[in-house]
Amino acid sequence: GNSVTQMEGPVTLSEEAFLTINCTYTATGYPSLFWYVQYPGEGLQLLLKATKADDKGSNKGFEATYRKETTSFHLEKGSVQVSDSAVYFCALSDRDGNKLVFGAGTILRVKS
Amino acid sequence: GAVVSQHPSRVICKSGTSVKIECRSLDFQATTMFWYRQFPKKSLMLMATSNEGSKATYEQGVEKDKFLINHASLTLSTLTVTSAHPEDSSFYICSALTKETQYFGPGTRLLVL
Repeated sequence: GNSVTQMEGPVTLSEEAFLTINCTYTATGYPSLFWYVQYPGEGLQLLLKATKADDKGSNKGFEATYRKETTSFHLEKGSVQVSDSAVYFCALSDRDGNKLVFGAGTILRVKS
Repeated sequence: GAVVSQHPSRVICKSGTSVKIECRSLDFQATTMFWYRQFPKKSLMLMATSNEGSKATYEQGVEKDKFLINHASLTLSTLTVTSAHPEDSSFYICSALTKETQYFGPGTRLLVL
């Protein structure tokens, strides 16, 4: 079945550091890929998505590229801020957006 | 756009009572909504898929008689936790599907005493 594997956290960075959170997936067919962010005590917010190979999703300085050859969708940001501290979930779905499969989540802590 | 709300945001109830949680899509219509449960420091577990005008589809291991789902309109789905017990205490999150993407509500924290 489909699955998503994320790097374990927590990831602790200083402000303005470069961020990478690794995500790889296993899926049949051609899934859509997502990054969601969850701030403390809140629900999930869509951060970015990509629906086909070589697509790059971007939002709020975050980027991720759909790499079919390596089955990866790593999240990157060039300069993190304290306000980026949250839990980040990588996820995939079938082409219709149903049946989201989540990774375990990665806690990001940014210190000033 | 694509805003989803949940009500209440937090509820405390006594064991044996029932609790209803509402999920609304505010600026779009959603034929399909989803209900998830999240345990502390864990990922989301899909409980059921709610389809407007038809019965919900429950994931394996989720009791349909305990977690009643009603999707009466294109903007509202409700989850009722019947005869709640302390082990039902959790964070419940809904999502609504539009344009092949799920948008999530802010979640409801349920505490059963």
